Amino acid sequence: AQSVTQPDIHITVSEGASLELRCNYSYGATPYLFWYVQSPGQGLQLLLKYFSGDTLVQGIKGFEAEFKRSQSSFNLRKPSVHWSDAAEYFCAVSLADTGNQFYFGTGTSLTVIP
Amino acid sequence: KAGVTQTPRYLIKTRGQQVTLSCSPISGHRSVSWYQQTPGQGLQFLFEYFSETQRNKGNFPGRFSGRQFSNSRSEMNVSTLELGDSALYLCASSPGPGQPQHFGDGTRLSIL
Repeated sequence: AQSVTQPDIHITVSEGASLELRCNYSYGATPYLFWYVQSPGQGLQLLLKYFSGDTLVQGIKGFEAEFKRSQSSFNLRKPSVHWSDAAEYFCAVSLADTGNQFYFGTGTSLTVIP
Repeated sequence: KAGVTQTPRYLIKTRGQQVTLSCSPISGHRSVSWYQQTPGQGLQFLFEYFSETQRNKGNFPGRFSGRQFSNSRSEMNVSTLELGDSALYLCASSPGPGQPQHFGDGTRLSIL
């Protein structure tokens, strides 16, 4: 079955530490890939996207993600986490042959310790 | 450019009632999608409209319906409300297939 998996439900890191959030997908073709962030009571904000080309993409707020076709992964990274990064993070994929339907992972909740 | 606007932000209803939620997409965006978000089920896709036509539909009962107008604004209707319909309903707009979706802040629906 087609799916988007975020294996880590909750992650806690210290402020200033590096961060990596995992995302794996299972689709036949290379999908369009996205990372979103959601703060409490808010909608989702786009952090970055991958369509094609360079497999390392830069996003807003100092985030980057790397697409690895062999591992069907699109992990999100940040070298130094700030307390304001505490939020819920969602990985999403969109398939060219399904119009604009997005498939979201279950999310990873990030806690930042001062 | 104004973002996606959802109204109302908060809504309280009782079981058996019906409700209509509204979404105004970003200007120029023709695709509007709706999602239900709950702590237990996460983000669940309801449906997507493009140029006034429903193009994709999630696995929700017929009580959940939607429509899109010629100006791309969209409404979602839920009839015969149940306690389990309590959720954050998110609307997202996009220029078209493969493009990022931009989300509104959602409508928080509470069923008493």
